[in-house]
Amino acid sequence: NAGVTQTPKFQVLKTGQSMTLQCAQDMNHNSMYWYRQDPGMGLRLIYYSASEGTTDKGEVPNGYNVSRLNKREFSLRLESAAPSQTSVYFCASSHLAGSKETQYFGPGTRLLVL
Amino acid sequence: SQQGEEDPQALSIQEGENATMNCSYKTSINNLQWYRQNSGRGLVHLILIRSNEREKHSGRLRVTLDTSKKSSSLLITASRAADTASYFCAPSGDSGYALNFGKGTSLLVTP
Repeated sequence: NAGVTQTPKFQVLKTGQSMTLQCAQDMNHNSMYWYRQDPGMGLRLIYYSASEGTTDKGEVPNGYNVSRLNKREFSLRLESAAPSQTSVYFCASSHLAGSKETQYFGPGTRLLVL
Repeated sequence: SQQGEEDPQALSIQEGENATMNCSYKTSINNLQWYRQNSGRGLVHLILIRSNEREKHSGRLRVTLDTSKKSSSLLITASRAADTASYFCAPSGDSGYALNFGKGTSLLVTP
């Protein structure tokens, strides 16, 4: 099992460009999450999907959109990238939504917006 | 969901020593999780302690929870260089689907 995979690993964008970060899990988990991690800020939740067909905003959703394509895949889209979106993006999944669930994280996508 | 606050922000010890890091939170919880993040990697779940538990062990890890003080501690015994990482707590209550992570404690274990 690969667990949670993310593509790409690194990306450089110019301000105003768009891109989609891909995430897939092979653990048959119902819930998936997108976080961003900035130096000295810890992880902040962008969006999550409690189950296939549902998505909800997290703490910092502005400037992002998500799609729960199917049970395995949860993508994060930046429509018009800004330098403030330079960060490391982590996708995670859990069997069910809920605070007692263990989350499994992908290796991250490092994004630089110039 | 609420966020935990880890303390200290950074900790440097030598191999073989014990490392203790703390987590404080503000409101009542159902459980609290600890995660580790090695440099450049995603977070890895270490242990979950429920609100009705006071102490839990997993290998060289010992977690305590004091709900009256709204705090938890993570003790790593006989630290190794491989324990060098950032450690995050995630306290959770009844509501909310997701976890909130604090800024973490950065642990450096030197040979």
